[in-house]
Amino acid sequence: RKEVEQDPGPFNVPEGATVAFNCTYSNSASQSFFWYRQDCRKEPKLLMSVYSSGNEDGRFTAQLNRASQYISLLIRDSKLSDSATYLCVVTDNQGGKLIFGQGTELSVKP
Amino acid sequence: GAVVSQHPSWVICKSGTSVKIECRSLDFQATTMFWYRQFPKQSLMLMATSNEGSKATYEQGVEKDKFLINHASLTLSTLTVTSAHPEDSSFYICSAEEDSYNEQFFGPGTRLTVL
Repeated sequence: RKEVEQDPGPFNVPEGATVAFNCTYSNSASQSFFWYRQDCRKEPKLLMSVYSSGNEDGRFTAQLNRASQYISLLIRDSKLSDSATYLCVVTDNQGGKLIFGQGTELSVKP
Repeated sequence: GAVVSQHPSWVICKSGTSVKIECRSLDFQATTMFWYRQFPKQSLMLMATSNEGSKATYEQGVEKDKFLINHASLTLSTLTVTSAHPEDSSFYICSAEEDSYNEQFFGPGTRLTVL
């Protein structure tokens, strides 16, 4: 079983749509949780951290359920510029190594 | 935000040659740097953790004699792919952990193609 698993992609949605990404992790001792965005042939960039209380940043909302070992990302009112691969990332409990999911590709169409 | 550079950004080499990739933290000190590899349509896989002044820690399945890591200063780590083969062709990305905040910042990546 992979340490971090994400929805298989790609997601093809029209502009303005709401899209949700899901992620599960296997290590219950994982300490920190993030969503990264990666554009084609570029390095990943931190989108947002994820907290148990849930957090929102504009059109983006992230949720963490530690009991279910589940993380989600909701994007409202999708823009063309949201097209990218979204990576679910957790850290282990030994020195903060980042463990990446395989990513979910999003394509927002006009 | 903190800036991490990588050099070169892309390289094409012949099979059997060695390639050195540099990772620099430009405006902060990084005791710890990480090296990742990403194959097409796959996620980033951690190869090794580079610690300034000590030996790197390699992930399972990564050959330390093939992927030589040197972290000689608080702002520079190098990865040398020795005797590169076509299957080593990949996108190599480093990250540097900012000492004060324990946050990782990624370099722009190096695309290696081995012919």
